[in-house]
Amino acid sequence: ETGVTQSPTHLIKTRGQQVTLRCSSQSGHNTVSWYQQALGQGPQFIFQYYREEENGRGNFPPRFSGLQFPNYSSELNVNALELDDSALYLCASSADREETQYFGPGTRLLVL
Amino acid sequence: AQKVTQAQTEISVVEKEDVTLDCVYETRDTTYYLFWYKQPPSGELVFLIRRNSFDEQNEISGRYSWNFQKSTSSFNFTITASQVVDSAVYFCALSETINYGGSQGNLIFGKGTKLSVKP
Repeated sequence: ETGVTQSPTHLIKTRGQQVTLRCSSQSGHNTVSWYQQALGQGPQFIFQYYREEENGRGNFPPRFSGLQFPNYSSELNVNALELDDSALYLCASSADREETQYFGPGTRLLVL
Repeated sequence: AQKVTQAQTEISVVEKEDVTLDCVYETRDTTYYLFWYKQPPSGELVFLIRRNSFDEQNEISGRYSWNFQKSTSSFNFTITASQVVDSAVYFCALSETINYGGSQGNLIFGKGTKLSVKP
């Protein structure tokens, strides 16, 4: 069974640019959640996708957007990058919305 | 508001010592789930346990044990005979529900406890 994978592992961008992060969910999982983890903090919920529809959103501005594809993989897009967007971005998949979430290795984004 | 508090920021122990990581939560829901995750330096969050709010039985898995007490809103995690490989940041998390404006399954994390086990 393949676990959750994320790409890229590391990324450096400059302020104002746009970025796309990718996540492949675990086999058999239909729900993907994205979290942002700043240094020294716990992960913060960005949004969740269930069967290709957004199922909930945390306290993040509209420049954070996402997609889920028919194979349940997902993308997180961030426009107009700000310095504070520098963080570890974690993707988690689950068999359903309230089932246990299994996390990928994360993408470390640095905004200069 | 739903909240998870991990008051211990950092703990340092010597190998073979027992260590308990504290977790206190706040929620208005009667049905909820509690979790513990381990985050080694590589960054990936590793699932350790999920507990339903209706199941207050303590659980043991090898050197790990969990003590869930609804009366004090606590879900503490004990590692017995700690090992160097246990060094990591440990997060306690609470599942959010749709009842109070959240989304099903969204996790609310504490700030984590960094455990260092020295040989």
